[in-house]
Amino acid sequence: AQSVTQLDSQVPVFEEAPVELRCNYSSSVSVYLFWYVQYPNQGLQLLLKYLSGSTLVKGINGFEAEFNKSQTSFHLRKPSVHISDTAEYFCAVSSASKIIFGSGTRLSIRP
Amino acid sequence: DTGVSQDPRHKITKRGQNVTFRCDPISEHNRLYWYRQTLGQGPEFLTYFQNEAQLEKSRLLSDRFSAERPKGSFSTLEIQRTEQGDSAMYLCASSSSVRGRETQYFGPGTRLLVL
Repeated sequence: AQSVTQLDSQVPVFEEAPVELRCNYSSSVSVYLFWYVQYPNQGLQLLLKYLSGSTLVKGINGFEAEFNKSQTSFHLRKPSVHISDTAEYFCAVSSASKIIFGSGTRLSIRP
Repeated sequence: DTGVSQDPRHKITKRGQNVTFRCDPISEHNRLYWYRQTLGQGPEFLTYFQNEAQLEKSRLLSDRFSAERPKGSFSTLEIQRTEQGDSAMYLCASSSSVRGRETQYFGPGTRLLVL
């Protein structure tokens, strides 16, 4: 069975500081990995995805993530955050049909 | 590409009533998914269709829930005899089954409140 663990439920950070949101997954088969962002009262927007190839994946809004197979991790990073990055971030894994989501990390930006 | 749309965006109903939600996927996508998201949690898979065939259903989908996709385009999710525990955001997503295009794109969701 597949599962996703987001290690931090909340991450407060000052504006223009770097941030890392941690994600670990478990799966017995090859997987696809995703990060989605959800702004208040909205649906999910795809930030980035790893399907194959380069382990460093760049996404929208200046975010990037690195797939580490040996550590079964897919951490999300941004070198300098902005107030507009305040949102809930979900790590997710998929192998065939459905996506399994983590419980989310709430990113709050302090001015 | 107009994205995935869902209707209504919000629904308030009384316990025991039936509700129906609609999802229109991205036009060229043949797969359609339903998820449920409760407050403070990530979305949980309910069911998915490839074209008009319903290929998988979660055990979360009780007998009171039914989903259809009669012509392989839009889909409806009906909840009969609603209960307060059904209050949640219901999300629809679509994707293509073509290899390399498995990414699911989500709609804005329908927020259901059962009083």
